[in-house]
Amino acid sequence: GQNIDQPTEMTATEGAIVQINCTYQTSGFNGLFWYQQHAGEAPTFLSYNVLDGLEEKGRFSSFLSRSKGYSYLLLKELQMKDSASYLCAVRWRKTGGGNKLTFGTGTQLKVEL
Amino acid sequence: DSGVTQTPKHLITATGQRVTLRCSPRSGDLSVYWYQQSLDQGLQFLIHYYNGEERAKGNILERFSAQQFPDLHSELNLSSLELGDSALYFCASSVGDFTGDEQFFGPGTRLTVL
Repeated sequence: GQNIDQPTEMTATEGAIVQINCTYQTSGFNGLFWYQQHAGEAPTFLSYNVLDGLEEKGRFSSFLSRSKGYSYLLLKELQMKDSASYLCAVRWRKTGGGNKLTFGTGTQLKVEL
Repeated sequence: DSGVTQTPKHLITATGQRVTLRCSPRSGDLSVYWYQQSLDQGLQFLIHYYNGEERAKGNILERFSAQQFPDLHSELNLSSLELGDSALYFCASSVGDFTGDEQFFGPGTRLTVL
């Protein structure tokens, strides 16, 4: 089966940097996504990694190591509006073809003054 | 506004009933995905359609079915509803076929089963 682990909660200070980790065990790995979700709202896409390395997008960066089954999302210059749940999702290729997506339970980030 | 629309926004119904949730993807997007989000289960992928064809099934119950029509809008049908089906149902769309394309989520339909 697919297993994704992320911390349940994290707290950080405005202006600081925070790293949210995600580890996964999956067969047929075919990419990893990060989403941001504010309470009561729809998820919004942040990043996608399919190859090892770092993808940078403004204040957000995402890293992937396929050999370690590990990814992290790095948020810089934290703002209060970054308080949200961050979801790690693994895309995997199922036997017989086609892709599926499995989400982690999310990391609730609280940004404080 | 993501450009993905979902109706209705809220739905309250009773156990044993059947409901239909509707989704219109962004203009130009061929893929539609359905997700269920409940408090105890997190976000669960249900099903994916690409240009009218079913591409992948996730944790979708047999009581649930979906289809994508020629105009690319999609409907998710939930029947024999149970209390545990109460959740937020999201639809998302993307240009491609579950590639690294960014998925755009609709605002969701909140279903309450009493």
